[in-house]
Parts: sequence; C-alpha cells; structure tokens
Amino acid sequence: DQQVKQNSPSLSVQEGRISILNCDYTNSMFDYFLWYKKYPAEGPTFLISISSIKDKNEDGRFTVFLNKSAKHLSLHIVPSQPGDSAVYFCAASASYGGATNKLIFGTGTLLAVQP
Amino acid sequence: DTGVSQNPRHKITKRGQNVTFRCDPISEHNRLYWYRQTLGQGPEFLTYFQNEAQLEKSRLLSDRFSAERPKGSFSTLEIQRTEQGDSAMYLCASSLARVDSPLHFGNGTRLTVT
Repeated sequence: DQQVKQNSPSLSVQEGRISILNCDYTNSMFDYFLWYKKYPAEGPTFLISISSIKDKNEDGRFTVFLNKSAKHLSLHIVPSQPGDSAVYFCAASASYGGATNKLIFGTGTLLAVQP
Repeated sequence: DTGVSQNPRHKITKRGQNVTFRCDPISEHNRLYWYRQTLGQGPEFLTYFQNEAQLEKSRLLSDRFSAERPKGSFSTLEIQRTEQGDSAMYLCASSLARVDSPLHFGNGTRLTVT
C-alpha cells in the first residue's frame, strides 16, 4: 500500500509565481515529514522538513505546511525560479527510540518553471 | 562534509552475475540506509544500519540481496544471481540517529542487467 501519495505527477508554473506541491499520507504514526528535490542522474537533495508538533516551517523561498487532521502536507515555493525545475519527493517517517526511522517516499511531482 | 559517496556510478552486468556496490557515508553519521529507485517511482527502502548493526530489512528484499557495514563506516550491497528486474538506481543515504535528522543521499549506482 502507498502510505505517502503525491497525486500530481507534474506541475507547470510561470517564473515568479507560486508553486504548490501536495502530499497526502495514511499512516497516523508518521511524525516527521520532509521534501526532497531531485535532478536527473543525481541523488535526492534535502530541502526542508517539519515535525508533527508544528504546522508550518519556513526556509527562504520554501514553506512547508502540515495539516495533521487531514493527513496532508504541502510545499510552497515563492517566487518560483527556472532553477527550481526538478522532481520533488515528499517523504515521511515514524520515529522511535529517540531517533527518526526509515523514510517512506511518495512517487514525486515533476515541477517545470517556465521563464 | 564531503557528502555521501557511492561507487561505481554505473554498472552493467549480465543476468546471473553477482555485483557489489559501495557506499561511504558522511563521517559523523552513524546511520546508513540503502534505497532502490526505478523510473517514475520514489526511492524504495531496502535496509538500514546503525553503526555496524543492521536494524531493519524490507520484507520486499529478496534473499539474493545482502548488505554489510563491518566497521560501522562504509557499507556494501551485494546482489547475487542478478535478474533483469534488478535494474534500477541504488541509492545510499546517511543520517544521525536522532529525531529530526534528515537523510543525506549519494548520487547512486545505476545498475543495468542485460
């Protein structure tokens, strides 16, 4: 079963506008959520994360929102830049023993930012 | 911080051959993970270590796959009797064993089984 879902395989936005990428999860034990960015022929690069005790985390142009009741998170990129064009993966983890466990990934959303 | 290093970057092998991949994690990280990624999918968890102890293996992981981390530093992933379905990108990641520690990935080893 797919515990982390990204229902939009692709998204196209204009440079300077907002990009919103969405992710849903089913496992209520998840307490740590991350977004990764991936360019072709490279490994995923960590972008931003959020703990389940928060509902928002911001880092520069990137903001992640968490809605625990809806089991939904989103990544906002403002303003979008052509260099942001990549595949974005949502990931989630359930911690135990005082440490983050393995990450479960979604299938990714390909973001294309048009100049 | 030199990042996570994986070797080789590409491997082409014939069906039935054995292959071994190496991963060198970020030096202060005590957790090391192996993932597999196929086209159009997200990374799929295979196994992970804390220091030299293998803490979890995916139930999807065939007996042909084995991973080691003998001294708690680098790790190897071996696939025996490769099959065409093993063709994928094999990713290694490392992290600290604490809450809110993100995984940092290497650039992967691309395996092609002919």
